[in-house]
Parts: sequence; structure tokens; C-alpha cells
Amino acid sequence: NAGVTQTPKFRVLKTGQSMTLLCAQDMNHEYMYWYRQDPGMGLRLIHYSVGEGTTAKGEVPDGYNVSRLKKQNFLLGLESAAPSQTSVYFCASSRPLGSGMDNEQFFGPGTRLTVL
Amino acid sequence: GEDVEQSLFLSVREGDSSVINCTYTDSSSTYLYWYKQEPGAGLQLLTYIFSNMDMKQDQRLTVLLNKKDKHLSLRIADTQTGDSAIYFCAERSNTGFQKLVFGTGTRLLVSP
Repeated sequence: NAGVTQTPKFRVLKTGQSMTLLCAQDMNHEYMYWYRQDPGMGLRLIHYSVGEGTTAKGEVPDGYNVSRLKKQNFLLGLESAAPSQTSVYFCASSRPLGSGMDNEQFFGPGTRLTVL
Repeated sequence: GEDVEQSLFLSVREGDSSVINCTYTDSSSTYLYWYKQEPGAGLQLLTYIFSNMDMKQDQRLTVLLNKKDKHLSLRIADTQTGDSAIYFCAERSNTGFQKLVFGTGTRLLVSP
């Protein structure tokens, strides 16, 4: 099992450019999440999905869009990148709430994005 | 709203015990977690504690929960250089989606 994988690992964009970050999981998890990690701020939830075809906004959704067309994939899009979106982006997946005692989230290795 | 706070940095010598502290605000949290992040990697779940427990021990790890003070701690016994990492405390919100709310992370540096 590869677990949770993310592509690309690194990317540099110019302001105004667009890109898509891909997250894939092979654990048949229903729930998937996108976080951003900034120094001194911990992880903040951008968007999440509780199943194929469904998405919802998290804590900091502005400037991002997501899609979950297949259960194993969760895409994060930046339509017009801004320097404030320079961050490390983590994808995670988990079983549904109530299916286990801990609802552990499994994380990908991260994508480091720099917007100039 | 929910808020989770941690000190930013802790330095210990190899073989000593490390204690990482966390405070949270949501008294209705059901689970509290400790995640470890090694350099250049994602977060990995270390351990968790259910809110009706005071303590949980798992090999070198001891988690203490003081619900009255909303204080959570992680003690690592016999700390090794391989324990150097960032440690995140997280609470599971008991409202709505029951998302995880993460602290800012504590960077643990273990010197030989």
C-alpha cells in the first residue's frame, strides 16, 4: 500500500498562474482533506470531502477549489495563485466518523508551493 | 471557537524525558491526538486519548489529560535523537463535521 500520495512535491508559480495539486489514496477511505501548513500556525483545513462527488469548505477555503470525482482522488485547484498561497499543502484521508475509535487521519508527504 | 496552543520549541538531551504541553479550548472535545512530523514528511499519528480518560501509556509515550484545565501533555521517556521532530496536538471538535483542530506544533530537538 502506498497510503496517501501527493503530486507534485514542489512547485513554483508566478502570481496569477493556475495549478492543480493531486492527492491519491489506496486505503478505500471515504473522507479526504486538504490542509495548508504555515510557520507558527499549525495546519488549517482548506476543504474536505465526505465521499465521492461531495466537497465542503473548511477553515480557509478562499482562493481554492476542489473536486472528488473518484473516491481515491481529491484535487485541489488554485485558479489564480497569489503570494499569500505560498505554503506547504497536505492531503489526508480517513475512515468515516463512527467507524473506528480514533478516526485517524493518514497524511501525504506534502507539496511545497511557492508563489512569486 | 476552538483553539489549541503549544509552546514552539523544546530542547533535551538524549536519555532525558521530554514533556510537550498543549492547551485547548473546546471542553466538548471527544478525542485528543498527538501527531509527529519528521523533516520533509507528513504527519503521523503517535497516540490519542479519549476524553473520559486521564492517562494513557504506550511504550515510551505517556499522555496525560486534565479536562478541568483543558491541558494535554505528551511525555517521551528515554528520548532518542530519532525523536527529534515537530509534535502537533489536535482536538476533535464535537460540533458539525467534527474536524480536527491542530496546535501550532512543538519542535523537539534532542542532542546527543
